[in-house]
Amino acid sequence: QQPVQSPQAVILREGEDAVINCSSSKALYSVHWYRQKHGEAPVFLMILLKGGEQKGHEKISASFNEKKQQSSLYLTASQLSYSGTYFCGTEPLPNFGNEKLTFGTGTRLTIIP
Amino acid sequence: DGGITQSPKYLFRKEGQNVTLSCEQNLNHDAMYWYRQDPGQGLRLIYYSQIVNDFQKGDIAEGYSVSREKKESFPLTVTSAQKNPTAFYLCASSSSIDTQYFGPGTRLTVL
Repeated sequence: QQPVQSPQAVILREGEDAVINCSSSKALYSVHWYRQKHGEAPVFLMILLKGGEQKGHEKISASFNEKKQQSSLYLTASQLSYSGTYFCGTEPLPNFGNEKLTFGTGTRLTIIP
Repeated sequence: DGGITQSPKYLFRKEGQNVTLSCEQNLNHDAMYWYRQDPGQGLRLIYYSQIVNDFQKGDIAEGYSVSREKKESFPLTVTSAQKNPTAFYLCASSSSIDTQYFGPGTRLTVL
């Protein structure tokens, strides 16, 4: 089953914070976060592994709650460049390497000046 | 520069014709993937290959075919059996200890 992302869309003013959630019905080995600009390929943001710590990338960070099979992406002090559609890709347990990812339906983030 | 290339960027096809989309990577990745993306939608897996000369069907393989004769190359053929082929096609590759990296995509339009 496809992971469920929430919210489906969000509009923020520049400088505001956002949280994007990704929830799976399966036990997870990893969660991968991507951002896609319109008409372009998804760009990798970060990966969270089972047993790993919360990750950060500039003002974007993420957490992984293994028990709840959920991950959240945090965007603080959002910039115009953060606009795009955010996807989570999940990798289930057990993991044997090079497993296929199942992607969520995406969260469209719009930052306005 | 290491990376994934896809060609062409835009492709137009007449109904009933087969068309092949190219995907090449020089990252020395073992695994390669093909996804389809429709407007406003997520990524759906068509086929994937974890090793040369082997590949598996994804969630929407009907009407598509692939080959993996070389590690660097994973071409996708959209056949006339695919009823609604107009979409954005993305190729990706990965190693066993890393995430998937995407090529720039091919936008296919059926006329």
